[in-house]
Amino acid sequence: QKEVEQNSGPLSVPEGAIASLNCTYSDRGSQSFFWYRQYSGKSPELIMSIYSNGDKEDGRFTAQLNKASQYVSLLIRDSQPSDSATYLCADSGGSNYKLTFGKGTLLTVNP
Amino acid sequence: NAGVTQTPKFQVLKTGQSMTLQCAQDMNHNSMYWYRQDPGMGLRLIYYSASEGTTDKGEVPNGYNVSRLNKREFSLRLESAAPSQTSVYFCASRGDRARDYGYTFGSGTRLTVV
Repeated sequence: QKEVEQNSGPLSVPEGAIASLNCTYSDRGSQSFFWYRQYSGKSPELIMSIYSNGDKEDGRFTAQLNKASQYVSLLIRDSQPSDSATYLCADSGGSNYKLTFGKGTLLTVNP
Repeated sequence: NAGVTQTPKFQVLKTGQSMTLQCAQDMNHNSMYWYRQDPGMGLRLIYYSASEGTTDKGEVPNGYNVSRLNKREFSLRLESAAPSQTSVYFCASRGDRARDYGYTFGSGTRLTVV
């Protein structure tokens, strides 16, 4: 059974700070990884995908992947109160791209 | 707007009742999925369909059945609802370039079984 582990939090950061969210995965064969943001009572929305070792940047978001350590992270620069949400890490694998999700990290950005 | 549409948004059932959750996508995606989300448990895969005419069990299929009616529609049926099936249900679909794009989720169905 593949597993994706995340610290459940809550992670609390002040407005303008860098928020760092972390995720580890168990399947060494996994190729693709996704970060989703989920506001309370809403559905998950995709914010980043990464499948190569290293960093991938998109605006204030940077995803980092280290396959040797089986570690994925998401950095949010200049955090805003609107970033307050649960962040889900997901691991793609298998022939039908079934995503395995972590339980999520609750992020709170304080004004 | 293109996307994944789920109905109903809310439902209360009595134990033993049956119901079908509907899902439709208009993005011409081949693969569709049903997840449930429970506090402290995260998102767990119930069933999925890699293409029209095929369905497969996920992590927690017991008590559920699915139908891939056509490429657009993928329904989830609870034959005899139990309180343990109280949850939020999400339908999702993905395009052929999943390694780049991940899933698109519907808005969810909040189901309570009393």
